[in-house]
Amino acid sequence: DTEVTQTPKHLVMGMTNKKSLKCEQHMGHRAMYWYKQKAKKPPELMFVYSYEKLSINESVPSRFSPECPNSSLLNLHLHALQPEDSALYLCASSQVYKTQAVANEKLFFGSGTQLSVL
Amino acid sequence: QKEVEQDPGPLSVPEGAIVSLNCTYSNSAFQYFMWYRQYSRKGPELLMYTYSSGNKEDGRFTAQVDKSSKYISLFIRDSQPSDSATYLCAIGYSTLTFGKGTMLLVSP
Repeated sequence: DTEVTQTPKHLVMGMTNKKSLKCEQHMGHRAMYWYKQKAKKPPELMFVYSYEKLSINESVPSRFSPECPNSSLLNLHLHALQPEDSALYLCASSQVYKTQAVANEKLFFGSGTQLSVL
Repeated sequence: QKEVEQDPGPLSVPEGAIVSLNCTYSNSAFQYFMWYRQYSRKGPELLMYTYSSGNKEDGRFTAQVDKSSKYISLFIRDSQPSDSATYLCAIGYSTLTFGKGTMLLVSP
């Protein structure tokens, strides 16, 4: 099973709303990632969790708040977003996250949550 | 110079054609190389993964890496309309650096 499951698939929210994106994997992976992808652009890394601890925050605004409750789950809490935050939000996982990679860091992506901020 | 360069296309080919997709990179520390396929509004799907220079084949797909030239390729034989998608190269050391993606259109 190489599946990463994301919910919801689509989300429309106002700028004053609070919502959460959820991600789940059951591959035993210990690294989980949030990426943001705008149309016709490559995915941009937002956060990396390694063994449930935040390892990388790519200078993401505080209106995005990640949470890793356990090794299988990853959440992204959203609050006071702006229209320019509308994008496809992708969750991914890999076996481990290494600061000096040697090999085998295959990244498996979920189908994403298409977010629209009005 | 950007770390990973990839022609965005679109690349239009007839069904059955051989497709060649390419990326160049600048950082010689990059050690592993992947190709992802992404259908519209879906997450990227890992197609090919390679760690060394040379060729790797999987069905109709062949990934080629030339570390001396910092150049990677993905070849698709007997292309099908279902291959129409955006193909992203991803090159990594610790985190992955993605190319912009090449949109491929295979017409029946």
